[in-house]
Amino acid sequence: KQEVTQIPAALSVPEGENLVLNCSFTDSAIYNLQWFRQDPGKGLTSLLLIQSSQREQTSGRLNASLDKSSGRSTLYIAASQPGDSATYLCAVLYGGSQGNLIFGKGTKLSVKP
Amino acid sequence: NAGVTQTPKFRILKIGQSMTLQCTQDMNHNYMYWYRQDPGMGLKLIYYSVGAGITDKGEVPNGYNVSRSTTEDFPLRLELAAPSQTSVYFCASRGEGGNTQYFGPGTRLTVL
Repeated sequence: KQEVTQIPAALSVPEGENLVLNCSFTDSAIYNLQWFRQDPGKGLTSLLLIQSSQREQTSGRLNASLDKSSGRSTLYIAASQPGDSATYLCAVLYGGSQGNLIFGKGTKLSVKP
Repeated sequence: NAGVTQTPKFRILKIGQSMTLQCTQDMNHNYMYWYRQDPGMGLKLIYYSVGAGITDKGEVPNGYNVSRSTTEDFPLRLELAAPSQTSVYFCASRGEGGNTQYFGPGTRLTVL
């Protein structure tokens, strides 16, 4: 059974810091991996999607890496801002392209001004 | 472009009542999903559909039913509401080829 774990569960940093969020999964047979952002009381917004054949994806200050063989992904946020405060969820698409997303519990990030 | 819309946004039910959560997408996506999210937890899949007329159970289907008569709509039915069904419910859709899933804003349901 595929399980997704995110560490840490919560993180508080001062504005301007670079930070790393971690995601691990137990079965390396994934189709892709997505990072989502969730603001309080809102739905999920997709940040980055990494296909299983890729090593990383970048969007602005965000960089996500994938090491499928070791079952790990990291989300790197450069020069953090208070507006980055949210919960970040990692999810793997498991069971081929027609499979389903398996989610971690998320990391709640707070960036202090 | 509305994306994925859900109604209602909030609802309080009494134990034993029934209700339908509505979900509509305007992106012509074949794949649609219902998730529930309990406090401090990740999302768990309730039911999903790979196209009109085709539905299947996810990880936590008990107490729920779905139908998919059109590509656009994927309603979730609670027949006999129980306190354990208090949660936030998200609907999502995606196109072919393992692409990004798009989420609705969620329905916050409380069963008392």
